[in-house]
Amino acid sequence: GAGVSQTPSNKVTEKGKYVELRCDPISGHTALYWYRQSLGQGPEFLIYFQGTGAADDSGLPNDRFFAVRPEGSVSTLKIQRTERGDSAVYLCASSPTTGNYNEQFFGPGTRLTVL
Amino acid sequence: AQSVTQLDSQVPVFEEAPVELRCNYSSSVSVYLFWYVQYPNQGLQLLLKYLSGSTLVKGINGFEAEFNKSQTSFHLRKPSVHISDTAEYFCAVLRVNNNDMRFGAGTRLTVKP
Repeated sequence: GAGVSQTPSNKVTEKGKYVELRCDPISGHTALYWYRQSLGQGPEFLIYFQGTGAADDSGLPNDRFFAVRPEGSVSTLKIQRTERGDSAVYLCASSPTTGNYNEQFFGPGTRLTVL
Repeated sequence: AQSVTQLDSQVPVFEEAPVELRCNYSSSVSVYLFWYVQYPNQGLQLLLKYLSGSTLVKGINGFEAEFNKSQTSFHLRKPSVHISDTAEYFCAVLRVNNNDMRFGAGTRLTVKP
C-alpha cells in the first residue's frame, strides 16, 4: 500500500512569502506528526494531530507556523512571512494510534529553501 | 524534557567489519527508545525499538541494540556491515504516554569496500 506522501518535494521561496506544505498520511492512520530537520541535525518535533485536532503544538517555533487537518486525513503546514532560518526539510509522519506506542511512518519530506 | 546524544557524528568502517553507533539519553521518566535509518533522499525508516521487556532488541537488516538503564544508553550494533548500510542513523526517545519524539543529531555511517 501507499506510504506517507508529501508535496511538493522541493519548494523555493523568497523571504517574506507564505508557503503551504502538504502531507498525505497512510490511509486509516489517526495520528499525524510534523517535524523539521535542519542541515546536520535530527528531526525536531513541531506538532501532533490526533484526528482533526492539534493535540500538541508545543514544538511550533512561533506564531508564523500553523498546521491544520480539517478532515482528519490530509494535513497542511502553513508558514507565514518566511525567513531564511525556516529553510529545512519538513517531515511528516503518521501512526495508527497513540497512547501505547505505535511506529511512526515517515514521508520523504519537503525541502524548503527561503532565499 | 528528554534529550538524546549521539556520540559520533561520523563512523567510517570497512565492509564486513562490526560497527557500534552510540546513543545516550536523558529523561526523568520512563521512555521508549528507537533507532531510525535515513537513506539519501528517502524518509526515515524504523530499524528497531525498545518498549519494555528484554533489553536486547533485534531489528531489520541484522541490526540490534541493547537498552542499558543504568548507563542510560541504547547503542546500535551490527556484527558485519555491507556497503548498502551506508546511511544516516538517528536515535530517538519518547516519554511514555507522550507524543513529542526527540531525535539525536544523527550518525553518518559510511561503509567502504
